[in-house]
Amino acid sequence: AQSVTQLDSQVPVFEEAPVELRCNYSSSVSVYLFWYVQYPNQGLQLLLKYLSGSTLVKGINGFEAEFNKSQTSFHLRKPSVHISDTAEYFCAVKAYSGGYQKVTFGTGTKLQVIP
Amino acid sequence: DGGITQSPKYLFRKEGQNVTLSCEQNLNHDAMYWYRQDPGQGLRLIYYSQIVNDFQKGDIAEGYSVSREKKESFPLTVTSAQKNPTAFYLCASSYRGGRSNQPQHFGDGTRLSIL
Repeated sequence: AQSVTQLDSQVPVFEEAPVELRCNYSSSVSVYLFWYVQYPNQGLQLLLKYLSGSTLVKGINGFEAEFNKSQTSFHLRKPSVHISDTAEYFCAVKAYSGGYQKVTFGTGTKLQVIP
Repeated sequence: DGGITQSPKYLFRKEGQNVTLSCEQNLNHDAMYWYRQDPGQGLRLIYYSQIVNDFQKGDIAEGYSVSREKKESFPLTVTSAQKNPTAFYLCASSYRGGRSNQPQHFGDGTRLSIL
């Protein structure tokens, strides 16, 4: 079985400050990792993905994440946040389970950017 | 542009009534999914379908039913047996097979409430 843990349910941060949203996962098989962003009353939009290769991946809107296999983590970072980054962020793990590629989502982290 | 269309955006259900949520995609994806989202709980899988005329239960299938008669369409029926249907419902689709490591694409969701 696979699982995803987002330890912080809410993260307040001042505008133009850096931010890190934490994601840890567990799986007995190789995984693919994703970060999604959700704005109120909308669906999820893909921010970035790790499939293989370089452990540092860059996504849209200036976000990046680093895959750390030994620590089973995939933390999301941005060096300087904007008001428009206020949203909920979901980490997701995709791994082969029960005959298909199952996706498991974390419980989400609400990022609130303070002016 | 390709994408996933969910309708309606808001839906109200009376006690004892079945309601159907629509999901249509033009991304040529084989796999489609329904998730339920409740505050603080992330996304929970209700049903998924990897090919036409085939679908499997997810983690919280009780009180829900689906059909997959066409590749483009995957409607979800919330039956009267679902005692707590108030939630935000998200439909997603993705490739399978050789491209199964790719991320899911999401619709904009349907918010279901009880009258």
